[in-house]
Amino acid sequence: QELLVQSGAEVKRPGASVRVSCKASQYIFTDYYLHWVRRAPGQGLEWMGWFKPNTGWTYYAKKFQGWVTMTSEMSIATAHLDLSSLKSDDTAIYYCARGPPVGGPPQQNGRYFDYWGQGTLVTVSS
Amino acid sequence: QSALTQPASVSGSPGQSITISCTGASSDIGNYNYVSWYQQHPGKAPKLIIFDVSNRPSGVSSRFSGSKSANTASLTISGLQVEDEAEYHCSSYSSTDSLVFGTGTKVTVL
Repeated sequence: QELLVQSGAEVKRPGASVRVSCKASQYIFTDYYLHWVRRAPGQGLEWMGWFKPNTGWTYYAKKFQGWVTMTSEMSIATAHLDLSSLKSDDTAIYYCARGPPVGGPPQQNGRYFDYWGQGTLVTVSS
Repeated sequence: QSALTQPASVSGSPGQSITISCTGASSDIGNYNYVSWYQQHPGKAPKLIIFDVSNRPSGVSSRFSGSKSANTASLTISGLQVEDEAEYHCSSYSSTDSLVFGTGTKVTVL
């Protein structure tokens, strides 16, 4: 059984919003950072930000500030990534990934991603 | 925040060694030992193979090794095998935007 299981593929119109979910299992959800990474067609990986489940704190990469929101439902150990005002170049596979344990210095919260979700394809097309 | 620079492609024959570079700046690789490497096969999620510049997670082959010099990190794959054909991504902590990935390198086994 995979540690991180993501929601299914989505097709959206430009300007719409979408939610991608990531359910964690086999570890204590609040003990580790949860990151989001995307990969657009023909591009490399792009880091979007992190979420700290035990506090709800977030940090979004500068490019994504203002239109990305990371939240969670602790009762079901599930993280959510909300994207708004979608554009065609937001078409990508979106991954959740587990980071290091919470509690270390800030520079360490993205030291590595040891488990990844299977990815969710979001297609933005008119 | 600009991506770390990697060669677009590297190739080698089975049994050979190859090295992939990952070039950044003093705001990331040059001043922090939080470089990691990921292997990604087509249609699959990335897999962690190196963290903290040169450490291998449990279960990762010792044929993978990492190093760093100044603003450049490197991943070496020794004894290249057919199953090593994949895309490889580096990442580093960045003082300007927390974390940055590389541009990605496609490894082809000839």
